[in-house]
Amino acid sequence: LAKTTQPISMDSYEGQEVNITCSHNNIATNDYITWYQQFPSQGPRFIIQGYKTKVTNEVASLFIPADRKSSTLSLPRVSLSDTAVYYCLVGDPNTGGFKTIFGAGTRLFVKA
Amino acid sequence: NAGVTQTPKFRILKIGQSMTLQCTQDMNHNYMYWYRQDPGMGLKLIYYSVGAGITDKGEVPNGYNVSRSTTEDFPLRLELAAPSQTSVYFCASSLLPGVGQPQHFGDGTRLSIL
Repeated sequence: LAKTTQPISMDSYEGQEVNITCSHNNIATNDYITWYQQFPSQGPRFIIQGYKTKVTNEVASLFIPADRKSSTLSLPRVSLSDTAVYYCLVGDPNTGGFKTIFGAGTRLFVKA
Repeated sequence: NAGVTQTPKFRILKIGQSMTLQCTQDMNHNYMYWYRQDPGMGLKLIYYSVGAGITDKGEVPNGYNVSRSTTEDFPLRLELAAPSQTSVYFCASSLLPGVGQPQHFGDGTRLSIL
């Protein structure tokens, strides 16, 4: 599994756009990039997945450059309720086995 | 649409006691997982199951046992509780295997062993 590196914590204010970058220099050809969100006292929740370029859904956007060695999760106009831990995972959805690795993630604090 | 349901939500055990953490899902997923999460840390895989009757060890299986008699249920058992097992336990399920497949999580069981 490709090792991922992301900031331990980030602060933001309501209404701002937040970008969380994840480094994955050893990403393999068949690997996808997946992000989860974990609110306090809840289990992680899948929010977005991508392979290359840009993916957007109702929660976030995921930007992946051509070399795929990093990715950026973008949260538009955050609110207090976006305070959570965000996990970046990299792996092959078809053969990655059962070693899903959730690291410490990035703790996002949104202030009023 | 309940998804993954875990019971109990909180529990305090004494050292040496045993208990079973319950997990059930209503999405007809074959793949189910148990994780533990220590304060400020990520999640570690304890056991997983690829279907009824089939289970296997994850990264940190010592001190735990599982069974999978039905597609819906995947209980986790602690036989001799130890303080090192104080943690938050999450159950998850997925439609397909693989690291990139979305997993659906329950809200966890917070377990303290004193």
